[in-house]
Amino acid sequence: EAGVTQFPSHSVIEKGQTVTLRCDPISGHDNLYWYRRVMGKEIKFLLHFVKESKQDESGMPNNRFLAERTGGTYSTLKVQPAELEDSGVYFCASSLREWGANVLTFGAGSRLTVL
Amino acid sequence: DAKTTQPTSMDCAEGRAANLPCNHSTISGNEYVYWYRQIHSQGPQYIIHGLKNNETNEMASLIITEDRKSSTLILPHATLRDTAVYYCIVRLGLVSSGDKLTFGTGTRLAVRP
Repeated sequence: EAGVTQFPSHSVIEKGQTVTLRCDPISGHDNLYWYRRVMGKEIKFLLHFVKESKQDESGMPNNRFLAERTGGTYSTLKVQPAELEDSGVYFCASSLREWGANVLTFGAGSRLTVL
Repeated sequence: DAKTTQPTSMDCAEGRAANLPCNHSTISGNEYVYWYRQIHSQGPQYIIHGLKNNETNEMASLIITEDRKSSTLILPHATLRDTAVYYCIVRLGLVSSGDKLTFGTGTRLAVRP
């Protein structure tokens, strides 16, 4: 079974530019999450999709961040325009949507460096 | 979700058991205890979870006290590859709450040769 795949693994852009991160969840996983870790800080929740619908986007820092999951399969996270403080590692995770305890499987992350 | 408290760092010798404690004194009856770890530069990795009973899998054992206010993750034979930050997370087991995980600062485990 393929795991959660994220692309690119590392992106270096200049302040003001746009970057789009992609996440391919495990096939059949309706839940898809985005998290990020900025330097020296804890891993923070950004948002949660159930299929193509945004279930919880309470962690999105501001309107420069746009997440989509068209068709309920892969997801993209766009940062436009990027700022220096957006640098960090962005993790995607997916899980089945079932009652009770579920396990999140994380991707390897996309490292974003904004210069 | 209930808050957890973990030591900032620990170390153990390779081949010995690593016992990582976690306090979750405000846990409610329908909240699970999860353990994840993050090895340097990798994504968080699920280890084990439990509700009331002790659990064991191929990676670790989870011991939950009878009052459920604390737990211990046991890596029976730690190797250098187990050096990582270990996160103890408590969350509800409800579909409506999703699987959102709240990561704290975790315990940095260093396995020494």
